[in-house]
Amino acid sequence: EVQLVQSGAEAKKPGESLKISCKASGYSSTIYWIAWVRQMPGKGLEWMGIIYPADSETRYAPAFQGRVTISADKSITTAYLQWSSLEASDTATYYCARRGANNFYFDYWGQGTKVTVSS
Amino acid sequence: DIQMTQSPSTLSASVGDRVTITCRASQNINNWLAWYQQKPGKAPKFLIQKASNLENGVPSRFSGSGSGTEFTLTISSLQPEDFATYYCQQYERYPWTFGQGTKVEIK
Repeated sequence: EVQLVQSGAEAKKPGESLKISCKASGYSSTIYWIAWVRQMPGKGLEWMGIIYPADSETRYAPAFQGRVTISADKSITTAYLQWSSLEASDTATYYCARRGANNFYFDYWGQGTKVTVSS
Repeated sequence: DIQMTQSPSTLSASVGDRVTITCRASQNINNWLAWYQQKPGKAPKFLIQKASNLENGVPSRFSGSGSGTEFTLTISSLQPEDFATYYCQQYERYPWTFGQGTKVEIK
């Protein structure tokens, strides 16, 4: 069974750093990419970026380039999304999602990680 | 970036109704379009790829059509479990973009 299991909810202060995770299982991670998608409270879905865990090739949406870092550890089939300095506007639920090698849609999703940034 | 515009933003319907949601792209995306369903507090669920190909396990009352810049998602007979928000997503080119969502609510 394909599963993407994300780390738990986080409550942080502005300026703090954060790294959230997405553990993949039930499929060969060498042929799939993992994307990150933001959903701000009451809003729609925004694609942030994507990583190929087999070689850590990464692409970012322009709106998120330089604001977050996506990484992966293929030995533990886990992808990460991190911030060096959080802002209140980073408050959102973040989803990881699987994308096939030749298919650019997202067929499996993690359960989401809620990040709250408040002073 | 390719802009995706869904209409309507909210749709009120009854169980058994036929429902159609439209998604328009700001430029030609051929048929590189996916649809997702999201229920409150849950992750999106993948429904349709390449505009009209139903994912395994998705009920046949769901269908997708269109090509180029205009696409539709149709639910032929709305069921109680279909009340949710639906999103289209283009994957013709980076950055991949979603529509703003269409909320299907109970009339």
